[in-house]
Amino acid sequence: QVQLVQSGAEVKKPGASVKVSCKASGYTFTGYYMHWVRQAPGQGLEWMGWINPNSGGTNYAQKFQGRVTMTRDTSISTAYMELSRLRSDDTAVYYCARDADNTMIVVVNWFDPWGQGTLVTVSS
Amino acid sequence: EIVMTQSPATLSVSPGERATLSCRASQSVSSNLAWYQQKPGQAPRLLIYGASTRATGIPARFSGSGSGTEFTLTISSLQSEDFAVYYCQQYNNWQGTFGQGTKVEIK
Repeated sequence: QVQLVQSGAEVKKPGASVKVSCKASGYTFTGYYMHWVRQAPGQGLEWMGWINPNSGGTNYAQKFQGRVTMTRDTSISTAYMELSRLRSDDTAVYYCARDADNTMIVVVNWFDPWGQGTLVTVSS
Repeated sequence: EIVMTQSPATLSVSPGERATLSCRASQSVSSNLAWYQQKPGQAPRLLIYGASTRATGIPARFSGSGSGTEFTLTISSLQSEDFAVYYCQQYNNWQGTFGQGTKVEIK
């Protein structure tokens, strides 16, 4: 079955960087866009951006431009999200989520499935 | 940026009753709208896409309607497992913005 498995929880100090991984299985990794979404404690969902696992092309939400980098390793069907210059308000659960469209014609559709989430805590 | 606004923030409903959740877009998103359910400690789960199409395995008591800027998620008869937070998401442009969520709680 289609599954996204993310890396474990991280604790980082302000100013540091964090890199979260998302390993895909059960489908052709390069055939679907991958999105990253975060959720601060008790808050709603915030879309961060996407990566085209085939080409490596990316698009980031304006809020995160300059601080986020999304990459992939097709040999191990894994997507990565790195966030730099961490602040306390970056404390959140970070999710990867697969786009629904396997034609990759429309870049952003609904997301299904989602990874289990990775808690990133930023604290001095 | 398209802003999605959900109402109410919290909805108190008794089991077996009907729940109606609203989602409004700041500009037209056509039918490019999805609904997700999220329970505490879990990832969101896709319920509805294309404003009205149920995802695989979603019970028929969940239904979506609307187009343009006004959308509704209806749960016809709330079951105990339906008490959760519900999010709408637009995907009409190259970004996937979410509403702030509606919490459906037991009355």
